[in-house]
Amino acid sequence: EAGVVQSPRYKIIEKKQPVAFWCNPISGHNTLYWYRQNLGQGPELLIRYENEEAVDDSQLPKDRFSAERLKGVDSTLKIQPAELGDSAVYLCASSWDTRSYEQYFGPGTRLTVT
Amino acid sequence: DAKTTQPTSMDCAEGRAANLPCNHSTISGNEYVYWYRQIHSQGPQYIIHGLKNNETNEMASLIITEDRKSSTLILPHATLRDTAVYYCIVRPGDDYKLSFGAGTTVTVRA
Repeated sequence: EAGVVQSPRYKIIEKKQPVAFWCNPISGHNTLYWYRQNLGQGPELLIRYENEEAVDDSQLPKDRFSAERLKGVDSTLKIQPAELGDSAVYLCASSWDTRSYEQYFGPGTRLTVT
Repeated sequence: DAKTTQPTSMDCAEGRAANLPCNHSTISGNEYVYWYRQIHSQGPQYIIHGLKNNETNEMASLIITEDRKSSTLILPHATLRDTAVYYCIVRPGDDYKLSFGAGTTVTVRA
């Protein structure tokens, strides 16, 4: 069974530029999560989807971040414009549903903003 | 949410058992103890979870004290591939949130 797929694995951009991250969850998983992980810290939840609906985006900085999950499968997280402080690893995870005890994480996208 | 306290780092010898402590003194009755680990350049990986009974799976054992204020994750025969950051997380049974702290950096040495 394929795991959670993310692309790109690495991205370097200049500040004020836009950037997008893509995630393909495990087939059949209804719940999708985006996390951000700063250096030396644990991941922090940005947004959670149940199918195509964003049911918790309380931690998503909405002035510059946006996300979508069309057709309840793949998801895209976008930053526009990027700031220096956005440099981090962006992780996507999925689970069968909200109450599943296990979340499956992808390898993440390491973003560097210069 | 209850918070957890873990040592910042620890070393262990290859082939020996690794015992990772976690304090969660304010845990509530409906909160589970979860352990995840994150190997370098990978996403976190689920290891095990429990409510109050000890649990064992193919990866590890979880020992929860009777008062549930602390727990220990045991890797029975540590290998070099077990070198990772280990996160102890307390999560309500009816909640999806995983609140990661800084974890314990475990280095397995040959």
